[in-house]
Amino acid sequence: QKEVEQNSGPLSVPEGAIASLNCTYSDRGSQSFFWYRQYSGKSPELIMFIYSNGDKEDGRFTAQLNKASQYVSLLIRDSQPSDSATYLCAVNIGGGSEKLVFGKGTKLTVNP
Amino acid sequence: EAQVTQNPRYLITVTGKKLTVTCSQNMNHEYMSWYRQDPGLGLRQIYYSMNVEVTDKGDVPEGYKVSRKEKRNFPLILESPSPNQTSLYFCASSLYNLPLYEQYFGPGTRLTVT
Repeated sequence: QKEVEQNSGPLSVPEGAIASLNCTYSDRGSQSFFWYRQYSGKSPELIMFIYSNGDKEDGRFTAQLNKASQYVSLLIRDSQPSDSATYLCAVNIGGGSEKLVFGKGTKLTVNP
Repeated sequence: EAQVTQNPRYLITVTGKKLTVTCSQNMNHEYMSWYRQDPGLGLRQIYYSMNVEVTDKGDVPEGYKVSRKEKRNFPLILESPSPNQTSLYFCASSLYNLPLYEQYFGPGTRLTVT
């Protein structure tokens, strides 16, 4: 069973701080890594995707991938109350089986 | 507007009564997928399809059927629903290539089986 693990949280940070969300995965053959944000009662929406080792930045968001350690993270700089949501890590289990496996999510609260 | 649509959005039914949840996308995406989301268990993939007439099981396929006769549609069929299939269901689509591209989700269907 291919697994994706996230800290369940909840994670609470003050407004303006950096929020750090972590995810580990079990399948070394995984090629695609995604971070989704989900507000309560809504569908997941894509925040970031990353395919290569290293950092990828998009505005206040930075995704970091380390395939050797099977670790992917999401940093949110200058956190805002509107960032309060559940963040889902998703990993494409490839190798001929194109499943997408999600972690259970980390609930983030940004306090004004 | 590029979107994934699902119908119905809410459904209450009884055990054993066959039902179909429709999913349609207008983005010409090859890859489509169904997920269920349950508290404490997260999002779990039920079935996925990499193109017309090509479907495969996800992690929780038991009790579900799918078909992909057209590129834009990917219905989810519950032949004999049971209470343990009460859940929030999401359909998603994406361009398919290697690696898998980002998925776009529909608004969700909340199903209750009594």
